[in-house]
Amino acid sequence: DAKTTQPPSMDCAEGRAANLPCNHSTISGNEYVYWYRQIHSQGPQYIIHGLKNNETNEMASLIITEDRKSSTLILPHATLRDTAVYYCIVRENQGDYKLSFGAGTTVTVRA
Amino acid sequence: GAGVSQSPSNKVTEKGKDVELRCDPISGHTALYWYRQSLGQGLEFLIYFQGNSAPDKSGLPSDRFSAERTGGSVSTLTIQRTQQEDSAVYLCASSWDRVFGPGTRLTVL
Repeated sequence: DAKTTQPPSMDCAEGRAANLPCNHSTISGNEYVYWYRQIHSQGPQYIIHGLKNNETNEMASLIITEDRKSSTLILPHATLRDTAVYYCIVRENQGDYKLSFGAGTTVTVRA
Repeated sequence: GAGVSQSPSNKVTEKGKDVELRCDPISGHTALYWYRQSLGQGLEFLIYFQGNSAPDKSGLPSDRFSAERTGGSVSTLTIQRTQQEDSAVYLCASSWDRVFGPGTRLTVL
């Protein structure tokens, strides 16, 4: 019973923006959207999270639709080091620690 | 320390042997988590420590798995009588699981 759906893979040109979609149509009012990524042979890395407002940090931007049923992670200027599996999950902020990832989106940044 | 560290980075063992995996969380973080990730699979929650509270062990797959956290800092995950299906990357995280360690890759032959 996956709570999010993501495309299995996508390619992106180096230097261009990468837009990663995520559907979470059953999200509840107290659940946040979190994004993590996992570079090969490394542990997961937190990227960003949001509730309903768009968020931006030094790594990425998160755009959440008004109905909160989907979101997009934006990597503004993708580099080869951004090649990784990107995971979108929904969870209660801090209260839901039993983190679990689905298959995610494998993003390949090409020179 | 600056991040979460885990040791060993790789562990190869024979079926039936016991193994101990170590996690050093970020100094001062009271929350510590263990997860595992099998090849091609998603992340699986194992156990959660928060301060002096009783740990949430609900994710441990069998009674061969146990974990302790001494002094509210370092944690050890122990797997007794290892089986081949225990082969996975074991990940430790602290601070409401936003900071993960590099993991220990366990291979049971």
